[in-house]
Amino acid sequence: DQQVKQNSPSLSVQEGRISILNCDYTNSMFDYFLWYKKYPAEGPTFLISISSIKDKNEDGRFTVFLNKSAKHLSLHIVPSQPGDSAVYFCAASPHNNNDMRFGAGTRLTVKP
Amino acid sequence: EAGVAQSPRYKIIEKRQSVAFWCNPISGHATLYWYQQILGQGPKLLIQFQNNGVVDDSQLPKDRFSAERLKGVDSTLKIQPAKLEDSAVYLCASSLELGGSNYGYTFGSGTRLTVV
Repeated sequence: DQQVKQNSPSLSVQEGRISILNCDYTNSMFDYFLWYKKYPAEGPTFLISISSIKDKNEDGRFTVFLNKSAKHLSLHIVPSQPGDSAVYFCAASPHNNNDMRFGAGTRLTVKP
Repeated sequence: EAGVAQSPRYKIIEKRQSVAFWCNPISGHATLYWYQQILGQGPKLLIQFQNNGVVDDSQLPKDRFSAERLKGVDSTLKIQPAKLEDSAVYLCASSLELGGSNYGYTFGSGTRLTVV
């Protein structure tokens, strides 16, 4: 069962523009949401997270927005840089439970 | 701080053979996870250890997969016998504490297994 869905397998944006990656989830028990970034031949690296008590968390060029009523979160990268080109995974887990579920990933390509 | 170490990086075996993967988590990280990532999909949790005890192995195909974490540090994941559908990247991750969700996990580079 796919409890975390990333419906866009790929996204291409121009350098300097905003990248918006989307993620939907179905399990209302999810309490923590995370984004991971993955380069080829490397493991995913933690990027940013958000707790369900917040609707926005910002870290430099990266902002995650959470809409609990819609069970939707998004990652905004602005401005996008060529080095941001990677696969981005959305992940979610219930409170105090480490059963973290991942989406299938979105491949972001930032063109110079 | 050294990262999560995994070996081997690549492995090719024939179906019905056995294979083992090794993981050394970040020093001091109590929680260790094994994930399976099939091409085109997100990582799927196979098993989670807290120190040397199993917290969750509900998604581990126990008829062919086994894992252990002796002494609460290194861990090995074994497949015996392998099937074609086991071809995937096997990722090991660790976190400082149970419930490390706020801070994410640290993943190793993975072992890419090809079963032919």
